[in-house]
Amino acid sequence: NAGVTQTPKFRILKIGQSMTLQCTQDMNHNYMYWYRQDPGMGLKLIYYSVGAGITDKGEVPNGYNVSRSTTEDFPLRLELAAPSQTSVYFCASSYFRDSTNEKLFFGSGTQLSVL
Amino acid sequence: KQEVTQIPAALSVPEGENLVLNCSFTDSAIYNLQWFRQDPGKGLTSLLLIQSSQREQTSGRLNASLDKSSGRSTLYIAASQPGDSATYLCAVRKGFQKLVFGTGTRLLVSP
Repeated sequence: NAGVTQTPKFRILKIGQSMTLQCTQDMNHNYMYWYRQDPGMGLKLIYYSVGAGITDKGEVPNGYNVSRSTTEDFPLRLELAAPSQTSVYFCASSYFRDSTNEKLFFGSGTQLSVL
Repeated sequence: KQEVTQIPAALSVPEGENLVLNCSFTDSAIYNLQWFRQDPGKGLTSLLLIQSSQREQTSGRLNASLDKSSGRSTLYIAASQPGDSATYLCAVRKGFQKLVFGTGTRLLVSP
C-alpha cells in the first residue's frame, strides 16, 4: 500500500529558483493538503483541495501555488524560492465525510533548503 | 485565534513506565482532536481521533482523553517501550478545513 507519496525527499535550491514538490495518493481520497513544518513549530497549512479542479488558500499561501487536475495528484509549486521557505513540507490526504471524523494520512515529507 | 500548546516539549523515561502527554487549546469550540506520532524523517501517523462529543478513545496501550470545557487533552501511554520513542503532536479541528497543530512533545524511552 503506497498511501501518500512525496518526491523529492530532499532538495537544495538557490534563491530565486523554482521547483515543484510532487504528491500523489492512491486511496481515492477527495481532500488533499500541503503543510510546512518549521523547527520547533507546529504544522502550518499552505493550500488545500476538496476535489479535482478545486483549491483554496490555507494559513501561509504566499510564495506558493497548487493545482489539482486529478484526484490522485496535488503538486506544490515554488516560483521564486526565498530563504524563508526553508522548511519540511508534508502532503496529506483524507476521505472527507464530515468534520467530526476526518482522519489525515501524511506523506514522508520533503526537506527543502533555500540558500 | 486557536492556539494549541503541548507540555512538556521533551520527555525522557525508562522503559516500562506509564506516562502522560498533555495538550491544551484556547478555544473549546472544536469538532475533534487528533493525536499523531512523528518519527524522525517520516510523516505523521494518526494515532487516535476524539470527536467533540466523546470523552476518550483507546487503542492498545494508548488512551486519549478530551475535556473540552477546560481545553485539555491527555495521551496516556501504558508500559512504555523504546519503540514508542517519537514526537507526539496533537491537533484540534476548529471549523471547516481548519486543523491547528501543537508543537509536539519529543519522547525518548530508554531500555
